[in-house]
Amino acid sequence: GAVVSQHPSWVICKSGTSVKIECRSLDFQATTMFWYRQFPKQSLMLMATSNEGSKATYEQGVEKDKFLINHASLTLSTLTVTSAHPEDSSFYICSARDPSGGNVDTQYFGPGTRLTVL
Amino acid sequence: AQRVTQPEKLLSVFKGAPVELKCNYSYSGSPELFWYVQYSRQRLQLLLRHISRESIKGFTADLNKGETSFHLKKPFAQEEDSAMYYCALTTGGGNKLTFGTGTQLKVEL
Repeated sequence: GAVVSQHPSWVICKSGTSVKIECRSLDFQATTMFWYRQFPKQSLMLMATSNEGSKATYEQGVEKDKFLINHASLTLSTLTVTSAHPEDSSFYICSARDPSGGNVDTQYFGPGTRLTVL
Repeated sequence: AQRVTQPEKLLSVFKGAPVELKCNYSYSGSPELFWYVQYSRQRLQLLLRHISRESIKGFTADLNKGETSFHLKKPFAQEEDSAMYYCALTTGGGNKLTFGTGTQLKVEL
C-alpha cells in the first residue's frame, strides 16, 4: 500500500525557535496533503490542506503565519512551526491523498512527529 | 457542516464477544465513510471504507443512510483488536476528512 513518511519523528526545541517537519509520499504522487494536530488521547484536528503548487488552505483558528506550509513537489510537504512556544507542543501528523484510487478518496497517514517546546 | 459522532470513549469487551463501535454522522449530501485504526505506538491506518463493502480483519461496517450511521462490527473480538478506532467522513472530491473523537477498544482475556 501507499506509504507516507515524516521527519523527524520527534524534536525538542527552545521557545522562540522554528521547527520544520517534512512529510513525504514514498511511492505515489500526492497532489494534496493534510496536516493534523493530535493532543494526548484526543482526536485528530485538521490544521490545513496543502495543495501542490498553490497556497495551503487553513482551518478556522489556525494561524497561517505561525504554521507555514509549503508543498513544493508532488511528494513533499513541509510544516514549519515558527517562533514555537510550549503550547505548540503536540503530535503533528500528515496525510497524503492517493489520487490513483479513482473515485475512492483515501488518505494515508504518516507516523507523526512529536514536538516538545521547552 | 459535516460532523461525526462516536458516543463511546472506551469500549471494553471480553475475547470472543461481539463488538460494535458506534458512529453517527451528519451531512446533507452523500458522504464517504471510513474507519481508521491506530494500534499502540503505530500510525493511523485505514481499516475499511463503506464504498468498498469489504471485510477487513473480520470487521464490517454498513452505511445506514436512514439512521445516518456507520457502525463497525466484529462477531468475535480478538486481543489484537485492542486499539483506538476513528470513524471519519469526507464529502468526496479530495475534500478533507472529518474525524470522530475516537473509541478506545479494549479486548480482555
